Amino acid sequence: GAVVSQHPSWVICKSGTSVKIECRSLDFQATTMFWYRQFPKQSLMLMATSNEGSKATYEQGVEKDKFLINHASLTLSTLTVTSAHPEDSSFYICSASTGKGLSYNSPLHFGNGTRLTVT
Amino acid sequence: AQTVTQSQPEMSVQEAETVTLSCTYDTSESDYYLFWYKQPPSRQMILVIRQEAYKQQNATENRFSVNFQKAAKSFSLKISDSQLGDAAMYFCAYRIFGNEKLTFGTGTRLTIIP
Repeated sequence: GAVVSQHPSWVICKSGTSVKIECRSLDFQATTMFWYRQFPKQSLMLMATSNEGSKATYEQGVEKDKFLINHASLTLSTLTVTSAHPEDSSFYICSASTGKGLSYNSPLHFGNGTRLTVT
Repeated sequence: AQTVTQSQPEMSVQEAETVTLSCTYDTSESDYYLFWYKQPPSRQMILVIRQEAYKQQNATENRFSVNFQKAAKSFSLKISDSQLGDAAMYFCAYRIFGNEKLTFGTGTRLTIIP
């Protein structure tokens, strides 16, 4: 159980275009989803926290107009990289909470990630 | 702000031997959780083990165990009987009670030598 599907697994786009990445919780309702960015050989850096039905909360330094996050349902959150540039090339990973309660040490469940290459 | 530090960028161990990965963290909170995640070449994040800060007993999951020293803010991972499939990046992670946001360390790349 607790499967998170992320799509696409990799995408190549031209500079200036936008690309959308989907994160779906397949067998549970995810009240909260998180979007991370991982540069090669580096750690995961949290970009934003996405709550169903409300605006995402962005981490300091993350451009909210560039990285649009929509959490329209309890099973889907999307990250759209707008007007992508080569420096946006990275590995993007989503994770989802099963919502068992903030006091529970439930781990987050991660998607398989999306490798974005902007040419 | 909470920070997680992994001082070993790379480690290697002979197959069947034991290896310990280090992790320290900085926090002013008293209630929190600690995790070790494994990221193999597939890039999928896999939970290895977790520890509640209020528990003094160290968590154990088969060949994986932790040495949790709350006063020292240390949370090391011991892998016993290392197997080739253990080769991966290992990330230490922290989150406070009441908040599901994870803070990750910089990672340790573990190589298993056949």
